[in-house]
Amino acid sequence: DGGITQSPKYLFRKEGQNVTLSCEQNLNHDAMYWYRQDPGQGLRLIYYSQIVNDFQKGDIAEGYSVSREKKESFPLTVTSAQKNPTAFYLCASSIGSQPQHFGDGTRLSIL
Amino acid sequence: GDSVTQMEGPVTLSEEAFLTINCTYTATGYPSLFWYVQYPGEGLQLLLKATKADDKGSNKGFEATYRKETTSFHLEKGSVQVSDSAVYFCALHFMNRDDKIIFGKGTRLHILP
Repeated sequence: DGGITQSPKYLFRKEGQNVTLSCEQNLNHDAMYWYRQDPGQGLRLIYYSQIVNDFQKGDIAEGYSVSREKKESFPLTVTSAQKNPTAFYLCASSIGSQPQHFGDGTRLSIL
Repeated sequence: GDSVTQMEGPVTLSEEAFLTINCTYTATGYPSLFWYVQYPGEGLQLLLKATKADDKGSNKGFEATYRKETTSFHLEKGSVQVSDSAVYFCALHFMNRDDKIIFGKGTRLHILP
């Protein structure tokens, strides 16, 4: 079955550490997205990529970085510059004008 | 700028009650409109969509009609079930405009047996 796989489901980070969240899709979608979800605030866009080797900042890109070396993969790195990284992170993908498909998310916590 | 406003939750209903979750939007142009549902611990799933004025999206007993005159896309269901307990997000998307989706803040729905 085609879909989006996010791993791990739960992730813990120590203060000052960078951590990378994985997002892989086998839907052959061109565009991929990372969102952050905090309680009561809905989804906020961190980064998005419409084609391989290109990506754009979303609304809250500070403290995050991404790469898009392959169509199927869009990893997100939460750097030590992100002062409040505890959140639920969602990856999504889409093609053309079709609605976005979402992964099951990664919950990041600070130790 | 473009935005989506949903009624604040949580909304608590008894099983078999009628559900309405209000959603209004502000947009320059004619977006597509969506409702997504998020069950506990999971990502978002597309529930229904409408791409132009007066379109009605429907799925799993849920319906929403794209009302251009009132800039609204209210979600309704005639008889809710305990399994409908989730967070519901209204969203808008412009075709051919940078592909970003704008989400409302979500409405948590609790259905009591």
